[in-house]
Amino acid sequence: QITLKESGPTLVRPTQTLTLTCTFSGFSLSTSGVGVGWIRQPPGKALEWLTLIYWDDDKRYSPSLKSRLTITKDTSKNQVVLRMTNMDPVDTATYYCAHRSRSWWNYWGQGTLVTVSS
Amino acid sequence: SYVLTQPPSVSVAPGKTARITCGGNNIGSKSVHWYQQKPGQAPVLVISYDSDRPSGIPERFSGSNSGNTATLTISRVEAGDEADYYCQVWDTSSDHQEDVFGTGTKVTVL
Repeated sequence: QITLKESGPTLVRPTQTLTLTCTFSGFSLSTSGVGVGWIRQPPGKALEWLTLIYWDDDKRYSPSLKSRLTITKDTSKNQVVLRMTNMDPVDTATYYCAHRSRSWWNYWGQGTLVTVSS
Repeated sequence: SYVLTQPPSVSVAPGKTARITCGGNNIGSKSVHWYQQKPGQAPVLVISYDSDRPSGIPERFSGSNSGNTATLTISRVEAGDEADYYCQVWDTSSDHQEDVFGTGTKVTVL
């Protein structure tokens, strides 16, 4: 059974750096073809892809946010970490981590709401 | 970057058929995936590779993709199908690869 769970702060101040951790089970990020990524959703709005890391440490970033994002993995801990710098109120959203299979997302975490406010 | 456009809303009576479109430039050359998202929940994959149903997804859900439009069809709509639906593609047409989600469609069962 594959599960993923996001953890991190629920409130961040403008200009701060957001760090979120995705802890997963039921698969290994060292298995060929596997990926884990992050998708966010502002309240009442559409899904927005942020970033993706593959089993071989290949990384992909949303072009519009690339300068602010960093994704890393710790295979031994079954964790993927997202860092997003210079947070702004428009970054308020539910942040999901998800398991990547080929070119789709087939397992999602429950999501964590991050509010950016002073 | 690549853009996927969906109608904001679709209304359908129970037992009827709902069709949700996803428009994109030459989307027929890409693989399209569809997700269902109910309020307060994470998205759930309902169609992959244009028309493949994951295990556990009812046969009432089907997909097609051609030209500039991909379509998710829900037959014999039930009250439980009321949700937001998103299409998604992995775009490799530019010098960088990126995931793209559609604008989302809210399906209302009358």
